[in-house]
Amino acid sequence: AQKITQTQPGMFVQEKEAVTLDCTYDTSDQSYGLFWYKQPSSGEMIFLIYQGSYDEQNATEGRYSLNFQKARKSANLVISASQLGDSAMYFCAMREASGGSYIPTFGRGTSLIVHP
Amino acid sequence: ETGVTQTPRHLVMGMTNKKSLKCEQHLGHNAMYWYKQSAKKPLELMFVYSLEERVENNSVPSRFSPECPNSSHLFLHLHTLQPEDSALYLCASSEDRGPNQPQHFGDGTRLSIL
Repeated sequence: AQKITQTQPGMFVQEKEAVTLDCTYDTSDQSYGLFWYKQPSSGEMIFLIYQGSYDEQNATEGRYSLNFQKARKSANLVISASQLGDSAMYFCAMREASGGSYIPTFGRGTSLIVHP
Repeated sequence: ETGVTQTPRHLVMGMTNKKSLKCEQHLGHNAMYWYKQSAKKPLELMFVYSLEERVENNSVPSRFSPECPNSSHLFLHLHTLQPEDSALYLCASSEDRGPNQPQHFGDGTRLSIL
């Protein structure tokens, strides 16, 4: 079974609009971390935002916020006021315990295209 | 500017060649990772090193051989690769292996096997 599921292969949004990228995860651990990364066409993976499993408040970083619904095992990324430079692949990832360390697992990603 | 540098950016090699990918991190991190990214596949974790000790090896074929001489440098030695090994190889580092540690990635090496 997939640990991280991103059901949207591609998303389109108008510039200046908000967009939500979906991510659900599967773990039986109590302690884990959730992350979102952005990968432009140049290839570099850029860390955007982190949410801890014990955090009660949703994480925010500038225009990025993470809509964390623990009971539903959902960690959606919300990008407000989209910009053309937001066009990229977006990956959801989770660190859960594995043999003394927390090994990262990535989803398949969502391609976001921002239209002018 | 990334704190993780990978060289070369592009590599074309024949199946009988031997080459190495290099990764260097300038962030003072203790953990380093190699990933393989193929088209239409999730990011595949290959190896994890913590303080120069290999702590994870995800059933990677022996034609890929990692080396971590110190906490700042990570190599991936390649020999007798197959066409299906063509992919983007990403190196990453993190402060440690805890649940709250984000990874910092390099720009990757795009590898093509002829």
